[in-house]
Amino acid sequence: DIQMTQSPSSLSASVGDRVTITCRASQSISIYLNWYQQKPGKAPKLLIYTASSLQSGVPSRFSGGASGTDFTLTISSLQPEDFATYYCQQTYTTPRTFGQGTKVEIK
Amino acid sequence: EVQLLESGGGFVQPGGSLRLSCAASGFIFNSYAMNWVRQAPGKGLEWVSGISDTGAGKYYGDSVKGRFTISRDNSKNTLYLQMDSLRAEDTAVYYCAKGSVRGIFVTEAFDTWGQGSLVTVSS
Repeated sequence: DIQMTQSPSSLSASVGDRVTITCRASQSISIYLNWYQQKPGKAPKLLIYTASSLQSGVPSRFSGGASGTDFTLTISSLQPEDFATYYCQQTYTTPRTFGQGTKVEIK
Repeated sequence: EVQLLESGGGFVQPGGSLRLSCAASGFIFNSYAMNWVRQAPGKGLEWVSGISDTGAGKYYGDSVKGRFTISRDNSKNTLYLQMDSLRAEDTAVYYCAKGSVRGIFVTEAFDTWGQGSLVTVSS
């Protein structure tokens, strides 16, 4: 199975900060890496698909990048509604696997 | 509006069975692959199973293979997950999720999720 490793597991940041979350795949997954946002008690929401494509309706402050087996989710200017847990997911092969999550908290 | 509504969760003893349903609306159900994803209390997301648009292709995570069965009824716009030989570690909120691209189960993201259905396995 492909292992997805996110870092950091949690971070504290202030409104307006630039935030970057990293996800590393244990083997090549091409560009088939997606990012989701989950708020407490809610279902996950798709933010980014195929590494860097912005899902319809998602603010442009969210962006995704890729370099080999390393992927990034960047929030250019953190907003109050962005405090949540973020998960990466590979859909290159089965079983689909998620990273362990990164919790973004208010500093 | 695209909507997914899970039902069928509840409390069951170890070794028991439960069937989850996911009613879909607002899109052409028989054109999209579907998935089940679960989340144990306080834990991360775990993909459980996926099924192609026609139902011909079925895929499972290692932890449920041989115990869970995914299926769909395209005439009823409904996805199912039959869960047998349940264990305490199967306790979780179960989400159904829609594939983002029309066609067979390939590499698509999950663009729409239901609200989740809680399954509790305990004696």
